[in-house]
Amino acid sequence: GESVGLHLPTLSVQEGDNSIINCAYSNSASDYFIWYKQESGKGPQFIIDIRSNMDKRQGQRVTVLLNKTVKHLSLQIAATQPGDSAVYFCAETPYNFNKFYFGSGTKLNVKP
Amino acid sequence: GAVVSQHPSRVICKSGTSVKIECRSLDFQATTMFWYRQFPKQSLMLMATSNEGSKATYEQGVEKDKFLINHASLTLSTLTVTSAHPEDSSFYICSARDRLAGVGQQYFGPGTRLTVT
Repeated sequence: GESVGLHLPTLSVQEGDNSIINCAYSNSASDYFIWYKQESGKGPQFIIDIRSNMDKRQGQRVTVLLNKTVKHLSLQIAATQPGDSAVYFCAETPYNFNKFYFGSGTKLNVKP
Repeated sequence: GAVVSQHPSRVICKSGTSVKIECRSLDFQATTMFWYRQFPKQSLMLMATSNEGSKATYEQGVEKDKFLINHASLTLSTLTVTSAHPEDSSFYICSARDRLAGVGQQYFGPGTRLTVT
């Protein structure tokens, strides 16, 4: 199946700093990408998404960047807070949205 | 917002028994639900896609006779782990796609922790 992977398994940042979480995907036909946040023992929570016809999308304190040339996705969190501590996954799906494939996850630790 | 529930949240069963996990969309209709399993400190692995009124589509390597999926209504899908073994111990998560919402959006349940002794 498709391969979606992450560069960094663990990221530690100081409270108030910006965080950048990266993700690589292998399926050039992927059309839709999503970032999820998962807290321990809970299901994933939607953060932000982006379609393949865009290269940047901003939300509240979060920005997703998509580089289709190198098949790379990143999540930027501004002014990281302790509540942002969690595991973050990227997921991708082809144009028909039939299946979602998840990357391996990055654990974000926010130090007070 | 859209809410997906799972029941039970935790279950412990003996090896050889079967366990049923329910996934419900509480305030929307879901023609498609997805079942994932997640081992500790690992990512979500898609097991199968469940479509209301039809047979589930299983991912390669997932035994359909072991993981029985039934999507009997627009708000309920069930996963039955048959003849469970300790290696089936995992965190099982479902998600549901809102029939009326924009494509791509799926809502996740809180997960079910299965422990097989």
